[in-house]
Amino acid sequence: NAGVTQTPKFQVLKTGQSMTLQCAQDMNHEYMSWYRQDPGMGLRLIHYSVGAGITDQGEVPNGYNVSRSTTEDFPLRLLSAAPSQTSVYFCASSYGALTSGVSYNEQFFGPGTRLTVL
Amino acid sequence: AQKITQTQPGMFVQEKEAVTLDCTYDTSDQSYGLFWYKQPSSGEMIFLIYQGSYDEQNATEGRYSLNFQKARKSANLVISASQLGDSAMYFCAMKRVRGAQKLVFGQGTRLTINP
Repeated sequence: NAGVTQTPKFQVLKTGQSMTLQCAQDMNHEYMSWYRQDPGMGLRLIHYSVGAGITDQGEVPNGYNVSRSTTEDFPLRLLSAAPSQTSVYFCASSYGALTSGVSYNEQFFGPGTRLTVL
Repeated sequence: AQKITQTQPGMFVQEKEAVTLDCTYDTSDQSYGLFWYKQPSSGEMIFLIYQGSYDEQNATEGRYSLNFQKARKSANLVISASQLGDSAMYFCAMKRVRGAQKLVFGQGTRLTINP
């Protein structure tokens, strides 16, 4: 199992550019989430998904879009990058509450994408 | 709304000593879960331990234990016999037990283990 993978690891954008951060998991997890981590702060939830075709907003959704067309993939789109979006982005996944026989408590995190917007 | 507070921005401990990292939380939910994550300088998030609000015993995982005091709304992490490799940022987090995994994180504590 590769676990949760994220690409790219590093990215530099200019203000106004758009891009997609990729996230994939091979554990058949129902739940997937995107968080951002700013210096001196804990992670904050951007968007999350409880299954293919179902997404919802987290604490800081503005400026980001998501979609979940498959169980495995959960891309995060920056529509028009701003310097305030300079951050480290983490994707995470976990089993859903309806998956029997496993702990649905642990979230598995990807390695992160460090994004700088100039 | 849920909130996590970690009041220790940084801690310095001698190797082999035990260390307690503080975490207090606020929630109106009756069922919730509490987590601790470790983030070394390499940046990845490593799950350490979980405590459910209805668990009667404190969670333990190897050298890690969670001192859960429900009435005081605290969930402190205790690391016994600290090692140099324990130097890292530590985050306390919580979520509702049911439903999507929407974690709320504290600001973290930077732990430094001195030889």
